[in-house]
Amino acid sequence: GESVGLHLPTLSVQEGDNSIINCAYSNSASDYFIWYKQESGKGPQFIIDIRSNMDKRQGQRVTVLLNKTVKHLSLQIAATQPGDSAVYFCAAFSPYSGGGADGLTFGKGTHLIIQP
Amino acid sequence: ETGVTQTPRHLVMGMTNKKSLKCEQHLGHNAMYWYKQSAKKPLELMFVYNFKEQTENNSVPSRFSPECPNSSHLFLHLHTLQPEDSALYLCASSKQGSDTEAFFGQGTRLTVV
Repeated sequence: GESVGLHLPTLSVQEGDNSIINCAYSNSASDYFIWYKQESGKGPQFIIDIRSNMDKRQGQRVTVLLNKTVKHLSLQIAATQPGDSAVYFCAAFSPYSGGGADGLTFGKGTHLIIQP
Repeated sequence: ETGVTQTPRHLVMGMTNKKSLKCEQHLGHNAMYWYKQSAKKPLELMFVYNFKEQTENNSVPSRFSPECPNSSHLFLHLHTLQPEDSALYLCASSKQGSDTEAFFGQGTRLTVV
């Protein structure tokens, strides 16, 4: 089965700096990946996704990089702001006959702390 | 707001109580899910409903009983829970199909005393 892991449980960065959160997955058949942000007291919210036919995708202040060779995923947040403080999860989707989000396997999460 | 609403937001219950968690979505999604989120652990998928039919039960104890009366509503009935069941319970919904993003509710913070 799939397993998904984040490299660091906590990451502390200065406000205004760039941050990088890393994630590794185990199933080479995984073909779709999502980053979620979870603020304190809230459910996870979608940030950005990437399919396996891409190696980079950019959003507003966020970039996701995918390296399928080493099964590694990263989320880059540019010019971090206090509102970026949250737990960030990666999720990997492994194809199976049923379809649906139950094909997602989640990592444990990295708690991003923004220091003033 | 993600379009998925969970009530209550917080619940404290004794081990002999019976309570229910409610989830509602009006996103037109046809799949709904219950997840358990415990401290320092990945999200654990508990139940999956596709078109109101339960398609997955990940070895969840029978003290958790899901109900899906229609594709917009999902319940989790709780009875005789244990303190180790204290966690954040998240409901999610998605469109059926591949490469599907899950939309999560805010969760119910459950404490069993």
